[in-house]
Amino acid sequence: AQKVTQAQTEISVVEKEDVTLDCVYETRDTTYYLFWYKQPPSGELVFLIRRNSFDEQNEISGRYSWNFQKSTSSFNFTITASQVVDSAVYFCALSGGYNQGGKLIFGQGTELSVKP
Amino acid sequence: GAGVSQSPRYKVTKRGQDVALRCDPISGHVSLYWYRQALGQGPEFLTYFNYEAQQDKSGLPNDRFSAERPEGSISTLTIQRTEQRDSAMYRCASSLAQRGASGNTIYFGEGSWLTVV
Repeated sequence: AQKVTQAQTEISVVEKEDVTLDCVYETRDTTYYLFWYKQPPSGELVFLIRRNSFDEQNEISGRYSWNFQKSTSSFNFTITASQVVDSAVYFCALSGGYNQGGKLIFGQGTELSVKP
Repeated sequence: GAGVSQSPRYKVTKRGQDVALRCDPISGHVSLYWYRQALGQGPEFLTYFNYEAQQDKSGLPNDRFSAERPEGSISTLTIQRTEQRDSAMYRCASSLAQRGASGNTIYFGEGSWLTVV
């Protein structure tokens, strides 16, 4: 069975602090994809990143970075120098297998609050 | 269109009524998905289409829920005889996906909030 666990329900930081959101996944597929989405207070679900299981290279995009470690089945997300606009619920998701057709399994989400 | 468009954004209905939620995917996207998201939870898969063919409906909770995409573009999710437990946000998403390409990025709409009173 596939499963995504985001153990941190809520995180509160002060602006300019760095923050890491944890994501641990379970799958028996050898080929799978991992995603992060952002849900700001307005409610839309915004795509942030997709990573396939064969690419363990870490990725950086501006203040965002992702650390994918197959050995620990983790795909953690770090925001450097957080800003108030980063306040949102962040979801990690897993899609796996040739026949899964893009069906995503989401974690419960981590609500990040960045205070000025 | 530029993004996935859903309507209505908000719907309040009385228990027992039928509701239809509409989704217009990103132009050219082959695959279309429906998800349901309860308050404080992550989205849960309901069903998906490649073109007009419904490929997987394993997430539909019961036979009151159905979806169609007759011309391979716009899709409608219908809930018959609504119950209070159906209250949630219903999200539509689309992707370019080729057959079996589960890694294609899935783009979500803003969702339709359904409240059953």
